[in-house]
Amino acid sequence: AQKVTQAQTEISVVEKEDVTLDCVYETRDTTYYLFWYKQPPSGELVFLIRRNSFDEQNEISGRYSWNFQKSTSSFNFTITASQVVDSAVYFCALSEFSGAGSYQLTFGKGTKLSVIP
Amino acid sequence: EADIYQTPRYLVIGTGKKITLECSQTMGHDKMYWYQQDPGMELHLIHYSYGVNSTEKGDLSSESTVSRIRTEHFPLTLESARPSHTSQYLCASSEWVGELFFGEGSRLTVL
Repeated sequence: AQKVTQAQTEISVVEKEDVTLDCVYETRDTTYYLFWYKQPPSGELVFLIRRNSFDEQNEISGRYSWNFQKSTSSFNFTITASQVVDSAVYFCALSEFSGAGSYQLTFGKGTKLSVIP
Repeated sequence: EADIYQTPRYLVIGTGKKITLECSQTMGHDKMYWYQQDPGMELHLIHYSYGVNSTEKGDLSSESTVSRIRTEHFPLTLESARPSHTSQYLCASSEWVGELFFGEGSRLTVL
């Protein structure tokens, strides 16, 4: 069975600090996808990134970067120079590929990030 | 920008009432989902559909039911609401693996 662990329940940082959100996953499949979603106070989850299990290249998008390491089953998310608008709950998620097309997402419990001005 | 809409955004009702939470998407996605979100943030999949006339139960047992008569519409119904049903319900749709587009959610309070 697949599992996603986000050990950090809540994090508070001062604006402009860097912050890393941890995500550790468990899966028996060799083909899978990893995701990060952001849920701002308005409530709507916003898709941030998808990585497949064959692509361990790290990705950077503006102030956001993701570090995927299969050796440690981790997919960590770093925000550089945090801003108040980054305050949200962040979810890591995993999807195993099933031949039946069952693209089920398993979410972690989320990390609430508060950026203090 | 995602085009998926949920109504109502907020609903307060008494025990025993029947309610339907509406979800519509204009993206033509085959896959649609309902998640229940605890006050403690955790998301649980309660129903999903991979196309018209296809519905399945998710990981979390739920007394709610869903239907998928049209591609764009995926309503969730509670025949007799109870206080334990108080939660936020999030609808989502997708075309690709895991790239879900979420609505803004329906926050239900049952008194």
